[in-house]
Amino acid sequence: KNEVEQSPQNLTAQEGEFITINCSYSVGISALHWLQQHPGGGIVSLFMLSSGKKKHGRLIATINIQEKHSSLHITASHPRDSAVYICAARISNFGNEKLTFGTGTRLTIIP
Amino acid sequence: DAGITQSPRYKITETGRQVTLMCHQTWSHSYMFWYRQDLGHGLRLIYYSAAADITDKGEVPDGYVVSRSKTENFPLTLESATRSQTSVYFCASSSYRGKIYGYTFGSGTRLTVV
Repeated sequence: KNEVEQSPQNLTAQEGEFITINCSYSVGISALHWLQQHPGGGIVSLFMLSSGKKKHGRLIATINIQEKHSSLHITASHPRDSAVYICAARISNFGNEKLTFGTGTRLTIIP
Repeated sequence: DAGITQSPRYKITETGRQVTLMCHQTWSHSYMFWYRQDLGHGLRLIYYSAAADITDKGEVPDGYVVSRSKTENFPLTLESATRSQTSVYFCASSSYRGKIYGYTFGSGTRLTVV
């Protein structure tokens, strides 16, 4: 079982819909990252959070440390939001830090 | 502001050849990382470096060699390429101020071993 699980694996929605992508992790973490990867493109860091909620434009990320769960929400979705969204848990172990990645959620927004 | 640059973007090589993927960052970030991305797997850490001349193995280091003689460069060498090393490779860097802050990724190198 992966230490970081994302759901759904694939998501198709109509433009304007509210989108939620979920991430669950099974280990203690120091932070959780949400990343965005466009087809054939590089990886962009969207959020890094260790508690509560962060908002940037139409994107909102939340984390519940007790439940080991994070969500990424997109309001008023747009075709340009179509991408793979990846969550990554940052695990600290005796001064060493590593990221463990989920396998990603492929989001397609239809005009 | 180039940030973090990987080269080449695409590479096709033959089995058994040595290949070096380059990574250059302009922010003087202390931490640098190499990941590979394959279908069905999340990004997996190959090697990382906490500073110049300090490197350590990640999750999947076999068949790879790294060096970091200068803070800004972190090349990844496949000593004798195999088909299983066909993948997309991402370099990343991060600053460190008591703990790691954020990660910045390069655009990736798509390597095909034939």
